[in-house]
Amino acid sequence: EPEVTQTPSHQVTQMGQEVILRCVPISNHLYFYWYRQILGQKVEFLVSFYNNEISEKSEIFDDQFSVERPDGSNFTLKIRSTKLEDSAMYFCASSLTPFGYTFGSGTRLTVV
Amino acid sequence: GENVEQHPSTLSVQEGDSAVIKCTYSDSASNYFPWYKQELGKGPQLIIDIRSNVGEKKDQRIAVTLNKTAKHFSLHITETQPEDSAVYFCAAINNDMRFGAGTRLTVKP
Repeated sequence: EPEVTQTPSHQVTQMGQEVILRCVPISNHLYFYWYRQILGQKVEFLVSFYNNEISEKSEIFDDQFSVERPDGSNFTLKIRSTKLEDSAMYFCASSLTPFGYTFGSGTRLTVV
Repeated sequence: GENVEQHPSTLSVQEGDSAVIKCTYSDSASNYFPWYKQELGKGPQLIIDIRSNVGEKKDQRIAVTLNKTAKHFSLHITETQPEDSAVYFCAAINNDMRFGAGTRLTVKP
């Protein structure tokens, strides 16, 4: 069964550093998303991406964050100047239509 | 934007009993309501979904009901098994998907 692949599974970074979280969506999918989940809390929407541009973003997704689809297969989330409170699981998802998202297994980001 | 409320936050049942998780949503334009199961250390996995023009959908031991007028939808799991233990999230989609806060279901053998 097709999968959304995320790398790395765990990333530790120093506060103030930049990180790039990588995702390979399912190959024929057209819609791409990033969500985050702070430990023990709900899954929160960050951003959706369609047709090579951001279609919607939440209030969490401020200037510290950016997304890119640099080629036909990867979808990345960049977090600049990381803060302790950025520590969370970050999930990538993709879908062929605006429904039926498939999630990756997540990247655990730890900011120290 | 859409706001999804989910109850209860924790639910403990005996194996073989039924479990019901309820959600409400705020945006009447939301038209798709998936349910996800999240096991420890994994991403959310879609288990069942329902569209706004359907009142009820069933898949083996899992069923979902939707009341559009009241903006309520519920997940029903019958004959629960220990492997059903997980965190369950409801969600609603209008433009993008917003999740409920999750329900930690524990099925005791």
